[in-house]
Amino acid sequence: EDKVVQSPLSLVVHEGDTVTLNCSYEVTNFRSLLWYKQEKKAPTFLFMLTSSGIEKKSGRLSSILDKKELFSILNITATQTGDSAVYLCAVFGNEKLTFGTGTRLTIIP
Amino acid sequence: DSGVTQTPKHLITATGQRVTLRCSPRSGDLSVYWYQQSLDQGLQFLIQYYNGEERAKGNILERFSAQQFPDLHSELNLSSLELGDSALYFCASSPNRGISYNEQFFGPGTRLTVL
Repeated sequence: EDKVVQSPLSLVVHEGDTVTLNCSYEVTNFRSLLWYKQEKKAPTFLFMLTSSGIEKKSGRLSSILDKKELFSILNITATQTGDSAVYLCAVFGNEKLTFGTGTRLTIIP
Repeated sequence: DSGVTQTPKHLITATGQRVTLRCSPRSGDLSVYWYQQSLDQGLQFLIQYYNGEERAKGNILERFSAQQFPDLHSELNLSSLELGDSALYFCASSPNRGISYNEQFFGPGTRLTVL
C-alpha cells in the first residue's frame, strides 16, 4: 500500500525563523511529488517535483526531492505569520495521488 | 480564488439519504478530481474525470459515484449516507489528462454533515 509520512506533525516557531518540513514516501511507480499549503479552506499548490536534486524555489520557499532516499523537504526562510498553515505533501504513483496527513506550522509574532 | 466553484457550501443531512455535490472547473480545464478530507483520515483522492471519461480511481466507496458532463462540470453523488461520510469534499481541476504532471486548482469545498 502506498504511504506518505510527513514530519513533524506540528511545529511552532517565532517569526523570522527558518523551518524545514519533511516528507518521506513508499510508492510504487513513482511519478511526482507535490507540496500544498492549506490554510482555512482549500489547498493551494506550491511545488511539483519529478527529478532528484533539482531545487524548486518560490520566494522564501524552496523544495528538493531525493528519489534514492525517497524523501522531500520543504524549506521556509524568514518565516512570517502568513506562513501559518498545514503543509501537505502528496505523491503520485499507481495512477493515484496519496496525501500525507500534513505538518501544522504555527508562526508566533 | 482558484476559479473552481463548488456548491453547496454546506450540507446537513440524515443517515441513509443521498446527496449530490457539484463542481465547475476553471475555464479551459478538462480534468476534474474529487477528494474527501476528514479529521481522522486526511485528504483522500476519490476519482478523476478527463473530458467526460473516468481517468483514475482512488479510495471511492461503491455508494459513491461521479460523472462529468459535456460542459465539463462534475457531480459527486453520495448515497446511503453514514455518519462516517461527514467530511469536507473538495473538487480540483487541471488542464490536462495526467494527474502527476500538472498542478491542481482546488475549489473551496463542500462541508457535508451527516446526522
